[in-house]
Amino acid sequence: RKEVEQDPGPFNVPEGATVAFNCTYSNSASQSFFWYRQDCRKEPKLLMSVYSSGNEDGRFTAQLNRASQYISLLIRDSKLSDSATYLCVVSGGSNYKLTFGKGTLLTVNP
Amino acid sequence: DTEVTQTPKHLVMGMTNKKSLKCEQHMGHRAMYWYKQKAKKPPELMFVYSYEKLSINESVPSRFSPECPNSSLLNLHLHALQPEDSALYLCASSHTDAGPDYGYTFGSGTRLTVV
Repeated sequence: RKEVEQDPGPFNVPEGATVAFNCTYSNSASQSFFWYRQDCRKEPKLLMSVYSSGNEDGRFTAQLNRASQYISLLIRDSKLSDSATYLCVVSGGSNYKLTFGKGTLLTVNP
Repeated sequence: DTEVTQTPKHLVMGMTNKKSLKCEQHMGHRAMYWYKQKAKKPPELMFVYSYEKLSINESVPSRFSPECPNSSLLNLHLHALQPEDSALYLCASSHTDAGPDYGYTFGSGTRLTVV
């Protein structure tokens, strides 16, 4: 089982749609969880940290289920500017290593 | 200042050249990282520095040599690279040695082409 697995995508959705990304991780000792977005030929940028209680930032909602080792990201009312690759990222244990999922490409169409 | 600054943004080098990539942050982060990213792949960790000491080397070939002169600077020295080393090289930093509680901040990267 890969350390971090994401929906393979790509996702193509119309503007205004709701889209959900799923991610699972294999290391139960993982402690920190994030969603990053990466635009084409740019660096990854932190979108949200993910907490067990769930967290929301505007149109974005992230959830963490530690028992199932599952992370999700929900985007409501998609905008054209949401088009990017979304990376599920996990860190844990005694080191600083971030483990990235392969990313899911989202294209929001007019 | 909430940025990680990388220079140069683009670099083309021959297989016999020696060059260096530079990274700088002034956020007081005490962990700094080098990642390598190939097209359509996620970033892969190369090195981690914690409090200016190398703490992780992900079995990176010796033609890549990291250096952390102080808490704000991180260099990656390149020598005798191969064409397959062409990639986007990302520097990142994070807050504490308890883990990246607030996520990493990435620089915009150096796009390296080895010819």
